[in-house]
Amino acid sequence: DQQVKQNSPSLSVQEGRISILNCDYTNSMFDYFLWYKKYPAEGPTFLISISSIKDKNEDGRFTVFLNKSAKHLSLHIVPSQPGDSAVYFCAARSSRGSQGNLIFGKGTKLSVKP
Amino acid sequence: DVKVTQSSRYLVKRTGEKVFLECVQDMDHENMFWYRQDPGLGLRLIYFSYDVKMKEKGDIPEGYSVSREKKERFSLILESASTNQTSMYLCASSLLWGSNTGELFFGEGSRLTVL
Repeated sequence: DQQVKQNSPSLSVQEGRISILNCDYTNSMFDYFLWYKKYPAEGPTFLISISSIKDKNEDGRFTVFLNKSAKHLSLHIVPSQPGDSAVYFCAARSSRGSQGNLIFGKGTKLSVKP
Repeated sequence: DVKVTQSSRYLVKRTGEKVFLECVQDMDHENMFWYRQDPGLGLRLIYFSYDVKMKEKGDIPEGYSVSREKKERFSLILESASTNQTSMYLCASSLLWGSNTGELFFGEGSRLTVL
């Protein structure tokens, strides 16, 4: 049973436009959410995070929105650049869990076309 | 900068061989993890450790074991490799959960092919 779902395996966007990557979760105990970016043959790198007490967090071109009532979060990239082409993983954790492990979604492959 | 180093980037092994994947982190992190990444399946947790000599099973521990004899080092062992263990293996570390946001720092990965 997937607790973190990324329903779009892939997304293609034109350079300069907005990329919106979506993530849904089922566990209401999750209180911290993170996005990771992964290039081929490299390990994932942390991108941005958000606590459940907030509904928005912004870092440069990247903004994460959290809708707790819908159990939904999204990552916006504006403007998208070809170097943003990568697999993006959504992850969630509960601070009240036994070890607070991160639960990852299956990832969305973003392609930004010049 | 946190550095997580995995000993081998690429390995090719035969079915039945014993495989060791080594991981070292240099930031004195308490938690260490082993994941595997497969297309369409995302990142799946194999084992994790929150202290020296401590280990906990993740979601897919079957066919794997781990060892943490020193705080900075976490090893993944495949006692008898099988073809379905062909995958990208990712090691990660983090601070104790209660003291941070839970951010994991990943190594570059080890691509294992079992023939």
